Order: sequence, then structure tokens, then C-alpha cells
Amino acid sequence: EAGVTQFPSHSVIEKGQTVTLRCDPISGHDNLYWYRRVMGKEIKFLLHFVKESKQDESGMPNNRFLAERTGGTYSTLKVQPAELEDSGVYFCASRRATVGQGGNTEAFFGQGTRLTVV
Amino acid sequence: AQSVTQLDSHVSVSEGTPVLLRCNYSSSYSPSLFWYVQHPNKGLQLLLKYTSAATLVKGINGFEAEFKKSETSFHLTKPSAHMSDAAEYFCVVSPMNRDDKIIFGKGTRLHILP
Repeated sequence: EAGVTQFPSHSVIEKGQTVTLRCDPISGHDNLYWYRRVMGKEIKFLLHFVKESKQDESGMPNNRFLAERTGGTYSTLKVQPAELEDSGVYFCASRRATVGQGGNTEAFFGQGTRLTVV
Repeated sequence: AQSVTQLDSHVSVSEGTPVLLRCNYSSSYSPSLFWYVQHPNKGLQLLLKYTSAATLVKGINGFEAEFKKSETSFHLTKPSAHMSDAAEYFCVVSPMNRDDKIIFGKGTRLHILP
């Protein structure tokens, strides 16, 4: 099966501009997560979708960040306006809805989007 | 609530010697535990996973991890380090409740000395 795909792989934008990151989860995975890693720091949780609903958005830094998952398929993460401190690698992960033994609880990660705000 | 603690932010070993990366977890019920690796400028790659089957889990590239419930640990080991093992390693807890988020440890950077 195809893995989790993120677009773009890299993005360089100027402070004040808008950037939209996209994540295509594995087909059939209801759970979708966004994480961010600022250089040299730990990987921080941003938010969690179950289908199209935001299950937990406690990690979203501020209202400049907007995540959507229309129709419960792919998700977008928009940063508007971008600030220098938003630079980092944004990871997306997906996981099946069925919680059980074996591989059902494994999360599959995309390759990440490296965002640089200058 | 769940949490995961990686006890060392940096570990240095000589090539050919054993590797031990430590991870302790806290969970109110049996979790699924994972180790991921991130090489420079690469994405996260799954090394191995524990999902309540065998407590000794074998992964890729010669890595193993043992789930010890009494010690709430899931340490990652490898008998003989290779230069290509230099990377950052993350211990991850995945909840059995689908409504809970996946939790990352802070990461351990493994340095391999020639």
C-alpha cells in the first residue's frame, strides 16, 4: 500500500507570507496526526484528526495555524502569516481506527515538510 | 495519561561495540511501543514495534528491544554498532485508545566513534 505522502518536501517563504502543507494519509486510516520539530528541539504534537473531526488540537501554537481535513481524507496545515519561529520540519502520520493487536496501532509517518521562513 | 522518557540525549559508542538506548514509559494500560530512527535530512523510519506479543522484539538493521513491564522500560540495543547507525532515535508510545495522541520521547542522538 502507498505510504503517507507530504507535499511539498521543502518550502522557503518570507516572513508574513502564507504556506499550506498537505498530508495524504494511507487510505482507510481514520487517524491523522500533525507533528512539528523545530531544529534541535523535540518532536511536538500539533493536532489529531479522527476522520474529519479535530480530536485534539492542544498542540497548535497559535491562531496563525489552521488545519483542515475535508471529507476525512487528506489534510492541510496552513500557516498565515508565517513567522521566523515557524521554521522546522512538519511531520504527518496516520493510523487505523481499529485499535488492537499486531500492526493495527502502528503509526506511519510521512517524510516531512521542511519549512524555512526567512 | 501516557508519557515516555528517553534517559540520554546523546550516546557515543565505538564502532563494533554494543549500543544501548534507554526508554522508560508510563501508561495506565498496556501500550504499544515503538522505536523510530531519523537520519540526517531524512524522514522517520520505523525500527521495531511492541504490541503485546513477544516481549523481545527484533527490528531492522540488527536492532532489538525488550519490553519489561516490571521496569516500565523498552530499551533499544544492538550488539555491534556500525557507522551507519549514527542518527537520532525516538521512543514512541501509541495509545490503545484511538482518541489519544501518539507521544514521542525527546530523542537520543547516537554518535559512532571510529
